[in-house]
Amino acid sequence: QKEVEQNSGPLSVPEGAIASLNCTYSDRGSQSFFWYRQYSGKSPELIMSIYSNGDKEDGRFTAQLNKASQYVSLLIRDSQPSDSATYLCAVPGRKDDKIIFGKGTRLHILP
Amino acid sequence: KAGVTQTPRYLIKTRGQQVTLSCSPISGHRSVSWYQQTPGQGLQFLFEYFSETQRNKGNFPGRFSGRQFSNSRSEMNVSTLELGDSALYLCASSLDWGQWETQYFGPGTRLLVL
Repeated sequence: QKEVEQNSGPLSVPEGAIASLNCTYSDRGSQSFFWYRQYSGKSPELIMSIYSNGDKEDGRFTAQLNKASQYVSLLIRDSQPSDSATYLCAVPGRKDDKIIFGKGTRLHILP
Repeated sequence: KAGVTQTPRYLIKTRGQQVTLSCSPISGHRSVSWYQQTPGQGLQFLFEYFSETQRNKGNFPGRFSGRQFSNSRSEMNVSTLELGDSALYLCASSLDWGQWETQYFGPGTRLLVL
């Protein structure tokens, strides 16, 4: 089983709609979870972090965490063409402190 | 505040050669991590340095090594290059060891091995 899994996409969402990105992880001991956005040809940038079960909102972004089911999701409300990018889920392991990235989901916002 | 800088930005090498990449962290950041990004494997953690010591390491062969200097600048070395080492190598700095929420990435070094 892969340690951090994401649907590779592409995920196409109409402008103004809600984009939903999902990520599952295998290490039950993980305590922190991160979402990065990577535009084509650019380096990743951290957009959300979440540590507790439930929702965390920041502007148009909402991160959701369910530790029992071992998944974390990212919702983007009122999607804009500028949200078109690859979104990477990252989970630090509890045992060895290395951080594992999913392969990313390509999101395409349709104007 | 200046961001993470990496040099060189592009590099072409041949199989069997070795390469050294450099990374200067954000001022005040004491931890530097290195990553390899390829289309097939995605973004993979190589290692993290803090206080001139390697704190943790990903699943890469010993050909990949690094070091950190007293000013927190870091270098990564790959010896005996293989075609599969062609990738984007990203450096990231953070305030402290394992403090992933403060991590910022540099622009990367694109390495092509022929």
